[in-house]
Amino acid sequence: GENVEQHPSTLSVQEGDSAVIKCTYSDSASNYFPWYKQELGKGPQLIIDIRSNVGEKKDQRIAVTLNKTAKHFSLHITETQPEDSAVYFCAAKGENTGFQKLVFGTGTRLLVSP
Amino acid sequence: KAGVTQTPRYLIKTRGQQVTLSCSPISGHRSVSWYQQTPGQGLQFLFEYFSETQRNKGNFPGRFSGRQFSNSRSEMNVSTLELGDSALYLCASSLDGRNPYNEQFFGPGTRLTVL
Repeated sequence: GENVEQHPSTLSVQEGDSAVIKCTYSDSASNYFPWYKQELGKGPQLIIDIRSNVGEKKDQRIAVTLNKTAKHFSLHITETQPEDSAVYFCAAKGENTGFQKLVFGTGTRLLVSP
Repeated sequence: KAGVTQTPRYLIKTRGQQVTLSCSPISGHRSVSWYQQTPGQGLQFLFEYFSETQRNKGNFPGRFSGRQFSNSRSEMNVSTLELGDSALYLCASSLDGRNPYNEQFFGPGTRLTVL
């Protein structure tokens, strides 16, 4: 089945720096890749997603890139702020995962220091 | 628009007991999925319901079950609780469950502690 690997597990940056989180997936049939942000005591919040027919998508300070050939996708956060501190999860979904089942990476704890 | 709601938010049970968790999806959403989140295993898919039918099931023992009602609300049940069932149980809803690009929105979760 699908397997998603995520790196790094922790990431510390200074406010204003950029942060990059990378994920790789194993199933070439996967075609939808969302990113979630989870703050303490809350459920995961969808922050951006990308479909397999798109190479890059941007939303203000957040962007996601997808390389289908290499089967990896990345989250880029620019001009980080302390409120960006949270755990970020990548996920993949496609025909072989089955309907709405998301397969998640192991998460990246991002700490943005003022 | 109200988000996904889950009740209760916290539960404490003892080994051997059973528990029922409830999820109300976003209005108009017909697909409900359940996930278990633990520090060791991360986010693991339990099952998905659409139009009152279970369409997909993860690798969990039969003690974990669920159902969906005609109003799309869903419940999951865990019988004969074990210590390892302690986790955050998350419910996610999406619009119709057929579009592979459907966004999934998560609720705040139910924190289950088994003593």
